[in-house]
Amino acid sequence: NAGVTQTPKFQVLKTGQSMTLQCAQDMNHEYMSWYRQDPGMGLRLIHYSVGAGITDQGEVPNGYNVSRSTTEDFPLRLLSAAPSQTSVYFCASRQGPHTEAFFGQGTRLTVV
Amino acid sequence: AQSVTQLDSHVSVSEGTPVLLRCNYSSSYSPSLFWYVQHPNKGLQLLLKYTSAATLVKGINGFEAEFKKSETSFHLTKPSAHMSDAAEYFCVVNRSGGSYIPTFGRGTSLIVHP
Repeated sequence: NAGVTQTPKFQVLKTGQSMTLQCAQDMNHEYMSWYRQDPGMGLRLIHYSVGAGITDQGEVPNGYNVSRSTTEDFPLRLLSAAPSQTSVYFCASRQGPHTEAFFGQGTRLTVV
Repeated sequence: AQSVTQLDSHVSVSEGTPVLLRCNYSSSYSPSLFWYVQHPNKGLQLLLKYTSAATLVKGINGFEAEFKKSETSFHLTKPSAHMSDAAEYFCVVNRSGGSYIPTFGRGTSLIVHP
């Protein structure tokens, strides 16, 4: 059972570089989300999607883009990396509005 | 507006003693509530969930939580702590309205002393 798969697990970027964090799920879930985790802040929502072709902003969307061309994939793009984007990023999926979320193992990103 | 408040950032217990991690929520409708656990450098694992069935919810590893609507609380308990329970715990509410996006509390770090 793969569940939610995130790649890469670790990444170091230089300020100004761009990159894409990949997220794929094999549970046919409509709802997918990206969060960032910072010490003492819990998980904060960056972007979310309720189905292919539908995305919306969360609490901290600035500097990030998403797209949802298929049900399975929900990539997160950093347009021009900044040190403030140093964080651990989690992708999650869930079946419906009242169900639990399943999380990937996270991507630890450092921007220098 | 904050939808979930975890009342303690750190809780320290001795092995074998009870655990209480406190969570209060705000929601206009009957919420779906969850507790997740995160061990160091790991992802998040579901401990238990409340979705308007029984108010006392049993989860994995001996944890349980009671939904109290009058107090808007969903506290997590365990009768006897084990060293392996040391982790970060998150209370989550699926925010009412729209897409019911999961909103996280800031987390409680559980420290277990031998």
